[in-house]
Amino acid sequence: DQQVKQNSPSLSVQEGRISILNCDYTNSMFDYFLWYKKYPAEGPTFLISISSIKDKNEDGRFTVFLNKSAKHLSLHIVPSQPGDSAVYFCAAKEAGNQFYFGTGTSLTVIP
Amino acid sequence: DTEVTQTPKHLVMGMTNKKSLKCEQHMGHRAMYWYKQKAKKPPELMFVYSYEKLSINESVPSRFSPECPNSSLLNLHLHALQPEDSALYLCASSQDWPKANYGYTFGSGTRLTVV
Repeated sequence: DQQVKQNSPSLSVQEGRISILNCDYTNSMFDYFLWYKKYPAEGPTFLISISSIKDKNEDGRFTVFLNKSAKHLSLHIVPSQPGDSAVYFCAAKEAGNQFYFGTGTSLTVIP
Repeated sequence: DTEVTQTPKHLVMGMTNKKSLKCEQHMGHRAMYWYKQKAKKPPELMFVYSYEKLSINESVPSRFSPECPNSSLLNLHLHALQPEDSALYLCASSQDWPKANYGYTFGSGTRLTVV
């Protein structure tokens, strides 16, 4: 059974607007979370992380929010740019264990 | 150098062939990983090497044989594969295992087709 789920396979957003990508997890022991970005024919690249002691982490246009009680993670991209069009994976781990990945959300930013 | 390099990018092999996938990193990372990814599925962990020793084998069939000749190289030897083994094989590395607080650095993958 998948421990990390991204229920939206795709998302389209106008350039300049906010993109919100969502991720849910089932394991309450997860204490570290990442978002990866993947372009076609390339490997996933690390985007932003958050540990369970925080509920928000910001890096430029990218902000990750963590709601531990809901076991929910989201990535906000503001403002969205056409170069942000890619597949976004969330990943989660508990101490001493491997990362578990979601199935990805394909974001298209329309110019 | 902040990359993980995988070769070949594409591989077509018959069920009786023997082939190898190669992965290289020069970031000084001490942990290296093989993942398998099927279409519309998340990457699934196959093997973890830490300090050149096999730390994790996620019950992978013996037709997949990993090898870590040194801290920069990771190979995956393939023999007698089945068509259902066709997938994208991703190599990754991290500073250490299992902490990996900066996540993994992934290669671009080898697209394997078994015919």
